[in-house]
Amino acid sequence: DAGVIQSPRHEVTEMGQEVTLRCKPISGHNSLFWYRQTMMRGLELLIYFNNNVPIDDSGMPEDRFSAKMPNASFSTLKIQPSEPRDSAVYFCASKKGQSSYEQYFGPGTRLTVT
Amino acid sequence: LAKTTQPISMDSYEGQEVNITCSHNNIATNDYITWYQQFPSQGPRFIIQGYKTKVTNEVASLFIPADRKSSTLSLPRVSLSDTAVYYCLVGDGYNQGGKLIFGQGTELSVKP
Repeated sequence: DAGVIQSPRHEVTEMGQEVTLRCKPISGHNSLFWYRQTMMRGLELLIYFNNNVPIDDSGMPEDRFSAKMPNASFSTLKIQPSEPRDSAVYFCASKKGQSSYEQYFGPGTRLTVT
Repeated sequence: LAKTTQPISMDSYEGQEVNITCSHNNIATNDYITWYQQFPSQGPRFIIQGYKTKVTNEVASLFIPADRKSSTLSLPRVSLSDTAVYYCLVGDGYNQGGKLIFGQGTELSVKP
């Protein structure tokens, strides 16, 4: 199994530009999570999907952030417009079974907004 | 989701047993206790999960007393590669869909 796949692994962009992060969950997993990690705030849950449906987006910082899961094998996290304070490592994770706590994390995307 | 408290950092030496204790005084009846490990520049990795008493797998043991207000992750005979941040999480998977709220974690440093 290839594990959770994220792309790009690194992204450097200028303030005001649109950024799209991509995630391919593990096949057969029905829940997908987006997290953001910074030194100041630690690891924060942004949003999670169950069976492609957004369940809880209370962690999304503001309207500049949006996430979609058009099918079971693909999700995107978009930031438009990006700001320097969005610089962080963004992780995608997936799991199987609604009540399971065993999430499988991807390698992360390191985003730098200048 | 129950709040957890764990030491910010711990030091150990190779070959020693390491015990990391987590407090979760307001744990609810349906809550499970889960531990994750995160190496630098990687995403967290599930280690172990339990509800009460003791759970053991090939990586670690988890000890949970009868009142469940705390738990202890035990790593036997640590090596340099066990240097990582360890997170304790508490939650109700059935009603919360497996949602995880990560705290600060405990940064374990293993020295030769």
